Amino acid sequence: DTGVSQDPRHKITKRGQNVTFRCDPISEHNRLYWYRQTLGQGPEFLTYFQNEAQLEKSRLLSDRFSAERPKGSFSTLEIQRTEQGDSAMYLCASSLEHGKNTEAFFGQGTRLTVV
Amino acid sequence: LAKTTQPISMDSYEGQEVNITCSHNNIATNDYITWYQQFPSQGPRFIIQGYKTKVTNEVASLFIPADRKSSTLSLPRVSLSDTAVYYCLVGDSGTASKLTFGTGTRLQVTL
Repeated sequence: DTGVSQDPRHKITKRGQNVTFRCDPISEHNRLYWYRQTLGQGPEFLTYFQNEAQLEKSRLLSDRFSAERPKGSFSTLEIQRTEQGDSAMYLCASSLEHGKNTEAFFGQGTRLTVV
Repeated sequence: LAKTTQPISMDSYEGQEVNITCSHNNIATNDYITWYQQFPSQGPRFIIQGYKTKVTNEVASLFIPADRKSSTLSLPRVSLSDTAVYYCLVGDSGTASKLTFGTGTRLQVTL
């Protein structure tokens, strides 16, 4: 397994368009997280899944954002009607939870630019 | 989740030991302390995690005093490739539902 994979690596879109990002976690990991990171800031939590169930969503995740993880494997993050403020790096991470803090493995991210 | 405070930036010469201290005065009993490293245009990478006293791995050491209100990440003999942003995170054990990153410490290593 080569780790967490995200696609695309870069996306430029016009304001108002919809975009969808994909994340393939490490295969045996049951938890999957989405984060957003803007320049000079640390990653901000958006949402996470335990298997296929979306267990928590941040207030940052407006109604224009939706995430899915069908069958508990890959995940998609869709942003509808993009705005310039959505420009950021979108990071996906996965982990295997087994009763104590474990490390999360991050992908390289998808850099979104809304013009 | 406990809030963390760490220096915005640090500079070091290659070959030196670097210690980055993180304050977490409101750490809870179940909280672990975790450090991540991030290079530009990459996702964060786990470095080390601890609960108390000292933890050492092949990359770094983590020192945690008895009151656990702070922790120090120690990087021995840094190289240019250690130039990165280092994040200190404090979170609940057992669930690890999400990671709360601050702005991190930007370490610049020069010759």
